[in-house]
Amino acid sequence: AQSVTQLGSHVSVSEGALVLLRCNYSSSVPPYLFWYVQYPNQGLQLLLKYTSAATLVKGINGFEAEFKKSETSFHLTKPSAHMSDAAEYFCAVSDTDKLIFGTGTRLQVFP
Amino acid sequence: SAVISQKPSRDICQRGTSLTIQCQVDSQVTMMFWYRQQPGQSLTLIATANQGSEATYESGFVIDKFPISRPNLTFSTLTVSNMSPEDSSIYLCSVEPTIREQGLTQYFGPGTRLLVL
Repeated sequence: AQSVTQLGSHVSVSEGALVLLRCNYSSSVPPYLFWYVQYPNQGLQLLLKYTSAATLVKGINGFEAEFKKSETSFHLTKPSAHMSDAAEYFCAVSDTDKLIFGTGTRLQVFP
Repeated sequence: SAVISQKPSRDICQRGTSLTIQCQVDSQVTMMFWYRQQPGQSLTLIATANQGSEATYESGFVIDKFPISRPNLTFSTLTVSNMSPEDSSIYLCSVEPTIREQGLTQYFGPGTRLLVL
């Protein structure tokens, strides 16, 4: 069965600093991988997805993620954090017709 | 992507009562999903609801507790029955576009925040 592991339930960065949110996957077949963001009191918004077309995936709001098969990783990065990036971030992997979510990482951004 | 709305956005209910949550999509979709997000937790899939067939429930979720309707391609309801405080969660619906995007992409509604006293 597919699964994802998000390392670090909380990440704090200063405004303007690099954001790195970690996600490792377990899959017996080439996976489809996703990052979603959940702002306070809102639903989930798709940030980006990997579907085997390109290993470096660019998403909305300046985020990107790189698929590394050798490391079974799909880490999310943003070069410069903004206060508005403060949210919960979820990594997910598709398993047939379902999405399997990680436990989430709460990103705090300090001025 | 699809535009998804949910009603109610939040509610406070008494234990033993039931609440029906509505999910409306602005386009026809084949697959709709219902998730639960308990406080401080990740999302757990409750069931998959396809139009014209019975909902498929995940392990740990049963139809008597979470009956689902899917009367057409743009609408679904989830009922949380005989509620207890443990049912306090955010309930989210999601859809997969009928013209299937690569990667089985799902789009989510804003969620219904339920507090059971």
